[in-house]
Amino acid sequence: EAQVTQNPRYLITVTGKKLTVTCSQNMNHEYMSWYRQDPGLGLRQIYYSMNVEVTDKGDVPEGYKVSRKEKRNFPLILESPSPNQTSLYFCASSLLVGNEQYFGPGTRLTVT
Amino acid sequence: GQNIDQPTEMTATEGAIVQINCTYQTSGFNGLFWYQQHAGEAPTFLSYNVLDGLEEKGRFSSFLSRSKGYSYLLLKELQMKDSASYLCAVRVDYGQNFVFGPGTRLSVLP
Repeated sequence: EAQVTQNPRYLITVTGKKLTVTCSQNMNHEYMSWYRQDPGLGLRQIYYSMNVEVTDKGDVPEGYKVSRKEKRNFPLILESPSPNQTSLYFCASSLLVGNEQYFGPGTRLTVT
Repeated sequence: GQNIDQPTEMTATEGAIVQINCTYQTSGFNGLFWYQQHAGEAPTFLSYNVLDGLEEKGRFSSFLSRSKGYSYLLLKELQMKDSASYLCAVRVDYGQNFVFGPGTRLSVLP
């Protein structure tokens, strides 16, 4: 089944403890993105990747890192999480640049 | 700056027609997308406009006016399962940079 998967789906952590949220797609998509979704603010793009080893900042990249070492994987790294990073995170991929995106199921992160 | 506006909430009756508006002021424009998001789920793609005019897809249609910075999503023959949030998104460059609106929560009543 063609899909985008994210792990973990739920995570509660403490301030400053490094964490990684994984994202993987099996559709051979070139383009991938990370978003966070907060009430009243909608989806905001954190980082995106146009190809292996090619990543760019979105609108809210502060406090996040990404890597794209393989086409199928695009992990999101929080080196020192803070409570304002408590949010619902979505990974997405698309076959063609600027085209419709396929979203993963989301990761709900709580930082205390 | 980037600004996309949508009504926060709308209510409509089963079988009716509803129009969800989206206005945008963005640094660039290379297409407008509509996504549907049911509570607790991921967004799913509904429609895409890059040129002015109407795109029809079954019960869903989307309209774009680039000169006015305006789009709407039209849902016909509403069904209970159409109760969801509807997200408007603009592709702001020639790459993969997207800006989303805050979303409109639609409730369909029997």
